[in-house]
Amino acid sequence: NAGVTQTPKFRVLKTGQSMTLLCAQDMNHEYMYWYRQDPGMGLRLIHYSVGEGTTAKGEVPDGYNVSRLKKQNFLLGLESAAPSQTSVYFCASSPDPRVNTEAFFGQGTRLTVV
Amino acid sequence: GEDVEQSLFLSVREGDSSVINCTYTDSSSTYLYWYKQEPGAGLQLLTYIFSNMDMKQDQRLTVLLNKKDKHLSLRIADTQTGDSAIYFCAESSYSSASKIIFGSGTRLSIRP
Repeated sequence: NAGVTQTPKFRVLKTGQSMTLLCAQDMNHEYMYWYRQDPGMGLRLIHYSVGEGTTAKGEVPDGYNVSRLKKQNFLLGLESAAPSQTSVYFCASSPDPRVNTEAFFGQGTRLTVV
Repeated sequence: GEDVEQSLFLSVREGDSSVINCTYTDSSSTYLYWYKQEPGAGLQLLTYIFSNMDMKQDQRLTVLLNKKDKHLSLRIADTQTGDSAIYFCAESSYSSASKIIFGSGTRLSIRP
């Protein structure tokens, strides 16, 4: 059981380049989340999804887009990367929170924008 | 909006108890969580408590909730070197159960 898998694990981008981070979960979870982790700031929610075909903005959505075309995948896109987007990105998924609120996390993607 | 606050660092001697504190602002919080992050890894749920509870104990872990003061604590008894990690407090509510709000994390280091 793989759980939550993020690809890639590391990436270096030049300012202005674009990229897509992929998150895949095999637990049939409805909810999926993208967070960024910066020193001293904890995890900040970028975007989230409450089901296939739905997305919603979190605390810090600017500069990012997401898509949830399939239930098991949640993609995070950076259209024009900026140095301020240098961070560690975590994807998470959870079942219906009315039943179980535990969130399962991927291993993270370390992104550096130069 | 919702906010969760923690101190950034805690250092304890091996074998002592560690107490990590957290305050939150959302009075409608339903679930309060403690997650653990080891170096280079994602977060793993340690324990959680419903807002209608005052205390929850799970082996070496004790969670205390003071709902009036919106204060949550995690006590780790007999702290071991394997407990070195960053501990995150988090909360969610029925009204926004799709969002889990995290604190900044407390880095726990163990002295021999």
